[in-house]
Amino acid sequence: EVQLVESGGGLVQPGGSLRLSCAASAFTFSSYWMYWVRQAPGKGLVWVSRINSDGSETRYADSVKGRFTISRDNAKNTLYLQMNSLRAEDTAVYYCARGGAYSNSPWDYWGQGTLVTVSS
Amino acid sequence: DIQMTQSPSSLSASVGDRVTITCRASQDISNYLAWFQQKAGKAPKSLIYAASNLQSGVPSKFRGSGSGTDFTLTISSLQPEDFATYYCQQYNGYPPTFGQGTKVEI
Repeated sequence: EVQLVESGGGLVQPGGSLRLSCAASAFTFSSYWMYWVRQAPGKGLVWVSRINSDGSETRYADSVKGRFTISRDNAKNTLYLQMNSLRAEDTAVYYCARGGAYSNSPWDYWGQGTLVTVSS
Repeated sequence: DIQMTQSPSSLSASVGDRVTITCRASQDISNYLAWFQQKAGKAPKSLIYAASNLQSGVPSKFRGSGSGTDFTLTISSLQPEDFATYYCQQYNGYPPTFGQGTKVEI
């Protein structure tokens, strides 16, 4: 069964950093585009970042550009999101999601999410 | 960015009802439209992709239709486990964008 398991969330002060991880299992991780999506408390889903299957192409939402970095280790079947210069408005549950072989392939599986709280 | 607008934002229904949610894109997205279900405190679950294709394991009471800019999700014979928030998403244009959600309440 395909599984995506996020970790690394927690409470951090404004200006601080966190690294989220998404451990993938039961599929050929290196064949899929991967995504990070976040959901602020009581709000909707917002795309954050994406990375292609070999990690050579990355894109970011304007709200996190220059502060967040997406990466992947295909040998470890793990997706990452390095978050620096965190702001209160970054407080959200962060989900990783699996895409497909192309940038316009549909998404299917999601992780359970990890909560990031930015507060002093 | 392509704007996705869902209506209604919320609706009340009873067990056994059929409900329809609409999603409108601000420009033509062909059939690159997905629907997700999210229950309170849980991760989203993929229901439909390519506007009308059911994901594996999703019951046939969920039906998607539409193309271009106008799409619908119909849920027939609502059951207690179907009360949730539903999101549409376009995945053709960059960036991928979601509708604001439709909460289906008892």
